[in-house]
Amino acid sequence: AQSVTQPDIHITVSEGASLELRCNYSYGATPYLFWYVQSPGQGLQLLLKYFSGDTLVQGIKGFEAEFKRSQSSFNLRKPSVHWSDAAEYFCAVGARSNTGKLIFGQGTTLQVKP
Amino acid sequence: DVKVTQSSRYLVKRTGEKVFLECVQDMDHENMFWYRQDPGLGLRLIYFSYDVKMKEKGDIPEGYSVSREKKERFSLILESASTNQTSMYLCASSSPGAGNEQFFGPGTRLTVL
Repeated sequence: AQSVTQPDIHITVSEGASLELRCNYSYGATPYLFWYVQSPGQGLQLLLKYFSGDTLVQGIKGFEAEFKRSQSSFNLRKPSVHWSDAAEYFCAVGARSNTGKLIFGQGTTLQVKP
Repeated sequence: DVKVTQSSRYLVKRTGEKVFLECVQDMDHENMFWYRQDPGLGLRLIYFSYDVKMKEKGDIPEGYSVSREKKERFSLILESASTNQTSMYLCASSSPGAGNEQFFGPGTRLTVL
């Protein structure tokens, strides 16, 4: 069955510290991969996406993610977290199809300590 | 910029009422989606549409219906609202030509009393 797992429900980091949010997926073929961020009371905003090519992708707000096919993972990283990064983060996978359906992980809530 | 708008940010309805949630996108996207978001459960797909008048059930369609009469508009209908439909509802759109990246509206927080 197709699925996305974000093992960490809640993460707390200090401002200025590095961050890694984990995402593992189960999918039949190499999917499209996405990371979204949701600030409180808002919709989701795309941080970055992987379709093909270079497995290290750069996104907005200083985020990057690395696709590791052998580990079925697409972890999100940031070298130095800012207080404004506190939000909920969602990993999503989808097929290369016309319907555009995505499967979302359950989300990781990031808290940033001053 | 792609824009997805939802008719209400907050909505309070009573049990048994018929509720309409409207979503409009301005990027000529073929695909449109309705999700509900509940704490700890992430986003769950209710219905989606890949063309005008075409719709498919998602993972949790029970108690909901949808309508897509025009390409830019996708409506979610709660025929008889119940308290367990109190949730955040998110609309999204995408296009296969743009890699299926989904663009989200701001969400509607629905409370059913």
